Amino acid sequence: GQNIDQPTEMTATEGAIVQINCTYQTSGFNGLFWYQQHAGEAPTFLSYNVLDGLEEKGRFSSFLSRSKGYSYLLLKELQMKDSASYLCAAESNSNYQLIWGAGTKLIIKP
Amino acid sequence: GAGVSQSPSNKVTEKGKDVELRCDPISGHTALYWYRQSLGQGLEFLIYFQGNSAPDKSGLPSDRFSAERTGGSVSTLTIQRTQQEDSAVYLCASSSSGLAGGPQETQYFGPGTRLLVL
Repeated sequence: GQNIDQPTEMTATEGAIVQINCTYQTSGFNGLFWYQQHAGEAPTFLSYNVLDGLEEKGRFSSFLSRSKGYSYLLLKELQMKDSASYLCAAESNSNYQLIWGAGTKLIIKP
Repeated sequence: GAGVSQSPSNKVTEKGKDVELRCDPISGHTALYWYRQSLGQGLEFLIYFQGNSAPDKSGLPSDRFSAERTGGSVSTLTIQRTQQEDSAVYLCASSSSGLAGGPQETQYFGPGTRLLVL
């Protein structure tokens, strides 16, 4: 079957670092997307990993391990504006459609 | 505009009425997706269009839901005989090809239509 798991909610402190994990099981896998969604808004693209390893983009980094079916999104120097839901999505290599996780709601406290 | 646009932004309707939701994808994007998102939930795939190919309708929850994409651009999602459980945000997204994996498959989302069925 196809399944994406990520924590429902996480809390972190402004200025700190937080890691949001995502595990996936798909019938065929091509790559892994992370999206950010602020309350009441549409999701916006953050990152895409197709190779194993860490990809850094400013304060945000994303990691992928294809053999373990595992990814994480690392957010550094947290700011209040980072409070949002973070959606993990696995891209199928059969039809290139995305299988979406339910999202992790990240709450940043001062 | 440069992004995906959707209309209306909000729609309130009575149970049993039909509604039409519109999506204008990014110009040149051949792939178009419709999703549904209930409050606090993840994205539920509804339907996928790729160029002139037959759409993937595997996510449509019932035969009350249908969608068209005319001229490979604008898409309309129609919900007939709406029910209260249809209340959700309906999101449209487009991508450049939808044929091969890679960053070009990044889906760009519209602002959504918030549907409330009374």
